[in-house]
Amino acid sequence: GENVEQHPSTLSVQEGDSAVIKCTYSDSASNYFPWYKQELGKRPQLIIDIRSNVGEKKDQRIAVTLNKTAKHFSLHITETQPEDSAVYFCAAITSGTYKYIFGTGTRLKVLA
Amino acid sequence: SAVISQKPSRDICQRGTSLTIQCQVDSQVTMMFWYRQQPGQSLTLIATANQGSEATYESGFVIDKFPISRPNLTFSTLTVSNMSPEDSSIYLCSGDPSADTQYFGPGTRLTVL
Repeated sequence: GENVEQHPSTLSVQEGDSAVIKCTYSDSASNYFPWYKQELGKRPQLIIDIRSNVGEKKDQRIAVTLNKTAKHFSLHITETQPEDSAVYFCAAITSGTYKYIFGTGTRLKVLA
Repeated sequence: SAVISQKPSRDICQRGTSLTIQCQVDSQVTMMFWYRQQPGQSLTLIATANQGSEATYESGFVIDKFPISRPNLTFSTLTVSNMSPEDSSIYLCSGDPSADTQYFGPGTRLTVL
């Protein structure tokens, strides 16, 4: 079945450094890729998304890149701040449905 | 976007009982989904709640254990039936107003003793 792999599972960076999280999907017909941030005890919050007809999207310190040929997409956070510490989930929408397949999550720690 | 609320936010239940979780969206949404999230884990889709018809369940989840209602385009319920300690988890609903982007409720933290 469809699968989304996410790496790394944990990531620690110094404040001000960049963080990169990578996901690989299996369904070549997937066409929508959101990223969610989940703080402890809170709901997942959409932070950025990208569609298959776009290679890159940026929103202030956050960017997402998509490589359709390789079937992977990445989240880039620049100038990290302590409030970026959270668990980040990638997802891919399965073709023909509106269902998400979520990655396993990345726990990001930004060290002050 | 959509604003989603859930009730209850948490509950502690006895083995063998059932709990119904409510999910309310502030606007009509095309799709509604129910997820389970074990501590420290990712989100696992339980079912798609279909308005006016039976829910569509994912592998490993059955209607007898997780009956779902969706009477209209803004509301859904999930019942966790005949609970056991293995059902202890966070249950989240989501709504999809644009048939792509899902917004999540705050979750219901269930503990089964």
